[in-house]
Amino acid sequence: SQQGEEDPQALSIQEGENATMNCSYKTSINNLQWYRQNSGRGLVHLILIRSNEREKHSGRLRVTLDTSKKSSSLLITASRAADTASYFCATDAGTDSWGKLQFGAGTQVVVTP
Amino acid sequence: DTEVTQTPKHLVMGMTNKKSLKCEQHMGHRAMYWYKQKAKKPPELMFVYSYEKLSINESVPSRFSPECPNSSLLNLHLHALQPEDSALYLCASSQAPGQGVYSNQPQHFGDGTRLSIL
Repeated sequence: SQQGEEDPQALSIQEGENATMNCSYKTSINNLQWYRQNSGRGLVHLILIRSNEREKHSGRLRVTLDTSKKSSSLLITASRAADTASYFCATDAGTDSWGKLQFGAGTQVVVTP
Repeated sequence: DTEVTQTPKHLVMGMTNKKSLKCEQHMGHRAMYWYKQKAKKPPELMFVYSYEKLSINESVPSRFSPECPNSSLLNLHLHALQPEDSALYLCASSQAPGQGVYSNQPQHFGDGTRLSIL
């Protein structure tokens, strides 16, 4: 079963706008990761945030983590057409989950010029 | 270009065939993974190798047989597959997982092998 659930399932925005997607999970975690997948390609790692962190930035990406609400958000600022992709959150399952990632259902983002 | 190379990119096979998927990385990673991904679904973990030893098998049917000949190579041997096994098979590698908040490391994925079972 999936650990993470993502919202929204799909998002359509115009270039220059910001895109926000959310991930909720069920059990306590050690860390949470976000990945991007372009059509027909493998996944690309974006950001890893540990359970003792609340916010991380990488370029135009901002990730927050609220362990009390068991949720995370990914913000892409000033979106570009090249940001069109599916975005997945991935979590471990807390204790005894060494090396095991579980992916959420994903958010499909379309950025139109 | 990805740093994890998977071959072949596409594979069509009959249910009685035997074939192998190959994965190679030269990043010095000591953990390697196989995932299965159906269309419009997230990847599902199949196997994890750590230091060339199988550490996780997610109750995968025996018609899938993984092999890790050395720290750079990972194979997935296929035999007597079913039509429902048609999917994108992704290989990934990472630094060896640690403990606690370091229990999972960023994973580097190949572009996958798209497998079709006739």
